[in-house]
Amino acid sequence: GQQLNQSPQSMFIQEGEDVSMNCTSSSIFNTWLWYKQDPGEGPVLLIALYKAGELTSNGRLTAQFGITRKDSFLNISASIPSDVGIYFCAGMSYGGSQGNLIFGKGTKLSVKP
Amino acid sequence: DSGVTQTPKHLITATGQRVTLRCSPRSGDLSVYWYQQSLDQGLQFLIQYYNGEERAKGNILERFSAQQFPDLHSELNLSSLELGDSALYFCASSVAYRVGTGELFFGEGSRLTVL
Repeated sequence: GQQLNQSPQSMFIQEGEDVSMNCTSSSIFNTWLWYKQDPGEGPVLLIALYKAGELTSNGRLTAQFGITRKDSFLNISASIPSDVGIYFCAGMSYGGSQGNLIFGKGTKLSVKP
Repeated sequence: DSGVTQTPKHLITATGQRVTLRCSPRSGDLSVYWYQQSLDQGLQFLIQYYNGEERAKGNILERFSAQQFPDLHSELNLSSLELGDSALYFCASSVAYRVGTGELFFGEGSRLTVL
């Protein structure tokens, strides 16, 4: 079945540093999304991308939908302690229902004050 | 607070037992989705309901079943529990006109521990 390869698995950075994580697939997706999960909570949608090449920002977060439709990246600028959590990429194929939303295994971000 | 309510938050039971997890979607959302999150498998889609009808099925075991009631709340039934069923079970809902966009609102999850 379809799989998303998300990297890195974990990151430990200093407050103020920029962060970059990415997600790749062997399959084409028509939608890429990034979710964040805080400890003890459910995932929360950060950014949704619907067009190849699209670059979208949400505050300090910027995500891009790769031209090949097989990858996406998320950047966080000037990280702060509340950025701690697990970031998941998710992809959906053309014509798929929400049931075809495939999640990566997550990037665990730790921020040192 | 996403507006999606799940109960119970924590559940400890024994192998072979049966449990029911409950979910109330956000007000006005017609779709409900169930996901299983385990350490090694990440978030795995189980099943989706839309306005009471099953819409999509993922990697849901035959020992598991779900339904969505007329008031739109949903229940996930897990039976003949095994140690490997220990996981976080999330419910999510989506706005009707955004179905198919991947935009989900997740509850806080129900943590199931099978001993």
